[in-house]
Amino acid sequence: DGGITQSPKYLFRKEGQNVTLSCEQNLNHDAMYWYRQDPGQGLRLIYYSQIVNDFQKGDIAEGYSVSREKKESFPLTVTSAQKNPTAFYLCASSGQGAQGNSPLHFGNGTRLTVT
Amino acid sequence: AQSVAQPEDQVNVAEGNPLTVKCTYSVSGNPYLFWYVQYPNRGLQFLLKYITGDNLVKGSYGFEAEFNKSQTSFHLKKPSALVSDSALYFCAVRDWGNYQLIWGAGTKLIIKP
Repeated sequence: DGGITQSPKYLFRKEGQNVTLSCEQNLNHDAMYWYRQDPGQGLRLIYYSQIVNDFQKGDIAEGYSVSREKKESFPLTVTSAQKNPTAFYLCASSGQGAQGNSPLHFGNGTRLTVT
Repeated sequence: AQSVAQPEDQVNVAEGNPLTVKCTYSVSGNPYLFWYVQYPNRGLQFLLKYITGDNLVKGSYGFEAEFNKSQTSFHLKKPSALVSDSALYFCAVRDWGNYQLIWGAGTKLIIKP
């Protein structure tokens, strides 16, 4: 079955450590996204990529970094500069990039806890 | 400023009754509107979208949504609720500045047997 795989499901880190969240898709989608979800808030866009080797900052990119070396992979690194990293992180992909009407396909998320 | 509002944090409905989850939007240009559902500790799943055409849009799992341009609303509806419909529902609209989605805060739908 085609889909998006996020790993790990749960991740625990000490404050001051960088951590990388994995996102892989086999849907052959050009566009990929990282969102952060906090209780009582909508999704907030961290980074997005419309094509391999290119990505753009979203609304809350500070303290995060990404790479897009392969079409199917879009890893997110949460750096020690992120002030409040504990959250639920969602990766998504879509087939039409910037054309606007293609729905997003989501992974099942990674819950990151930093203590 | 472009925005999406879901005015109800939680909606409670008895099983078998009709349900409505409200969404209003503010966007410059034609609105592209979406509804997604999220079950606990899972990613979001696409339910339906409005791009153009009929104001009543039908989607997955028996859900439909009505686009109302004059009221700038896109309410999600279902004629007869199931306990399994209990979940978190998100409305979103396309931002024509960067082509990304603007999300509502979500509405928790609880269907009681």
